[in-house]
Amino acid sequence: DSGVTQTPKHLITATGQRVTLRCSPRSGDLSVYWYQQSLDQGLQFLIQYYNGEERAKGNILERFSAQQFPDLHSELNLSSLELGDSALYFCASTPGGRMGGYTFGSGTRLTVV
Amino acid sequence: DQQVKQNSPSLSVQEGRISILNCDYTNSMFDYFLWYKKYPAEGPTFLISISSIKDKNEDGRFTVFLNKSAKHLSLHIVPSQPGDSAVYFCAASGRYGGSQGNLIFGKGTKLSVKP
Repeated sequence: DSGVTQTPKHLITATGQRVTLRCSPRSGDLSVYWYQQSLDQGLQFLIQYYNGEERAKGNILERFSAQQFPDLHSELNLSSLELGDSALYFCASTPGGRMGGYTFGSGTRLTVV
Repeated sequence: DQQVKQNSPSLSVQEGRISILNCDYTNSMFDYFLWYKKYPAEGPTFLISISSIKDKNEDGRFTVFLNKSAKHLSLHIVPSQPGDSAVYFCAASGRYGGSQGNLIFGKGTKLSVKP
């Protein structure tokens, strides 16, 4: 157990639907990052939050949004889902600052049918 | 445009031999590099890192080498063990520039260590 908890582990939904992925960071970590891993692709950075504030944005589609709550857990909202959104979505956390390794959760596997 | 490239999708090595995984990067603003290991159905786990002020960092069986002039780094595993079989991701971070300190990952290399 890495200390980063992601729920649900698996999600199957239809095109056009909306889903919410949840991440609880490791205790004490202020930064949360979301990454997407599609088939045969590396981990693509989506968005970062630090202590409730959006810190950086990567290749995140407009149909996707995220937030970090006062208790530091984060949610990634994916709407108007398309087949191509099927992927593994990872959340990672760090205490803050950029140095050091991220601690990743085990991911949510999203399948859009 | 891929800023971090792992050109070998897979590598097969005999147990006890050396495994060498390679990674190239294009952004000269990157100054911190990491390797992650990923087993199926798990998230990536941090393995080893190196700052651009160094050219080598060692941790047990794992050594990372950095050649800044060639924008190339490599991970050496000696001796390789069957439990090392996993996907290895190279990642880079820069204090300035587009990465904004976030990690940029390569596509990974799947290492298979045969008994």
